[in-house]
Amino acid sequence: EDQVTQSPEALRLQEGESSSLNCSYTVSGLRGLFWYRQDPGKGPEFLFTLYSAGEEKEKERLKATLTKKESFLHITAPKPEDSATYLCAITPGSNTGKLIFGQGTTLQVKP
Amino acid sequence: EPEVTQTPSHQVTQMGQEVILHCVPISNHLYFYWYRQILGQKVEFLVSFYNNEISEKSEIFDDQFSVERPDGSNFTLKIRSTKLEDSAMYFCASSRVTNEKLFFGSGTQLSVL
Repeated sequence: EDQVTQSPEALRLQEGESSSLNCSYTVSGLRGLFWYRQDPGKGPEFLFTLYSAGEEKEKERLKATLTKKESFLHITAPKPEDSATYLCAITPGSNTGKLIFGQGTTLQVKP
Repeated sequence: EPEVTQTPSHQVTQMGQEVILHCVPISNHLYFYWYRQILGQKVEFLVSFYNNEISEKSEIFDDQFSVERPDGSNFTLKIRSTKLEDSAMYFCASSRVTNEKLFFGSGTQLSVL
């Protein structure tokens, strides 16, 4: 069964304290892995897409990496405005664009 | 930046009533989706739609659910006879092609009483 598991469920950081979020997945044939940010009461907002092991993407304080079994979202020197829930999702082999989401990691960055 | 628009933002209904949730996807997108998120739980796939037909649906998307693209801009989700367990945030999404990023709307919070 295609599945996504994220850890930790919640993370509290001090402003400037770098850390990583984990997304592990099992899938019959990975077509893509996506990271989204979700603010309370809002829809997911796209961050990154990774397609193959070894690929990396960066945007401001965020960097996403991918291996054959997991992905990491590294947050360098976070700011309070980075506080949100970060969602990982995969597209399996069916070519319909369906996303399978993990349960998310809720990040709180304190000033 | 173009965005997916959903209306209403909140919908309250009585159990057994029909509801229609409305979405205007991004204009040049070809693939359309509905997802839902029950409070505190994962975002769950409901259905994908391409070329005026359903391309995939989940087990949640039973005979009580239907989707329609009545014109060139709108995409609707209908729940024929709502149940208490249908209470959730419903998100519409669209993409230009498959396996590319999905753009999500801000959601419709459905409360079934």
